[in-house]
Amino acid sequence: ETGVTQTPRHLVMGMTNKKSLKCEQHLGHNAMYWYKQSAKKPLELMFVYSLEERVENNSVPSRFSPECPNSSHLFLHLHTLQPEDSALYLCASSQDLRGASYEQYFGPGTRLTVT
Amino acid sequence: LAKTTQPISMDSYEGQEVNITCSHNNIATNDYITWYQQFPSQGPRFIIQGYKTKVTNEVASLFIPADRKSSTLSLPRVSLSDTAVYYCLVGVSHGSGNTGKLIFGQGTTLQVKP
Repeated sequence: ETGVTQTPRHLVMGMTNKKSLKCEQHLGHNAMYWYKQSAKKPLELMFVYSLEERVENNSVPSRFSPECPNSSHLFLHLHTLQPEDSALYLCASSQDLRGASYEQYFGPGTRLTVT
Repeated sequence: LAKTTQPISMDSYEGQEVNITCSHNNIATNDYITWYQQFPSQGPRFIIQGYKTKVTNEVASLFIPADRKSSTLSLPRVSLSDTAVYYCLVGVSHGSGNTGKLIFGQGTTLQVKP
């Protein structure tokens, strides 16, 4: 495996379910990100991790809970979601968080549908 | 925060050169300009990045004037497979801290026609 992988690629869940999205990067990067992309909307940054430490939480509801056990893996735990949470969830990684110049590598995303 | 403005959509034909211009009037001294490409239901892909003047790689060229308040992504001889959304981003530095983040706007939807 190369690059950034995400599983599952598609997920349908009810509002009372608990599920987790998984992201793995094989690039040796130190920073990882979760983004949400709703239909016809820009990507929204949700969480940023650097060296397994959360450095940013963009006012995301508590029904989304991130976890970064090591620099290669990132999870997004989901519980009691709402239909408006249906979106494409993208994971990305970058070498580090040097402010002005860094390249992010994105995974293919998980298409989430909340019923 | 540096905000970017780019056209919502553009049409082109196969074989033509496409130029997409992005405005970023409030760009900071340390900010770089980065362009990403995104196909439907896929994550964005890095295309090119620059700080000033001109940058060229195997995919595109990036032109940045001296005042850096705008930039132009140039795609030579586009094909149908170049149909995608193109995002212009300006890297944000948070003062003395090292936390930077990319802010994605609406992007430009490029439609290449046969």
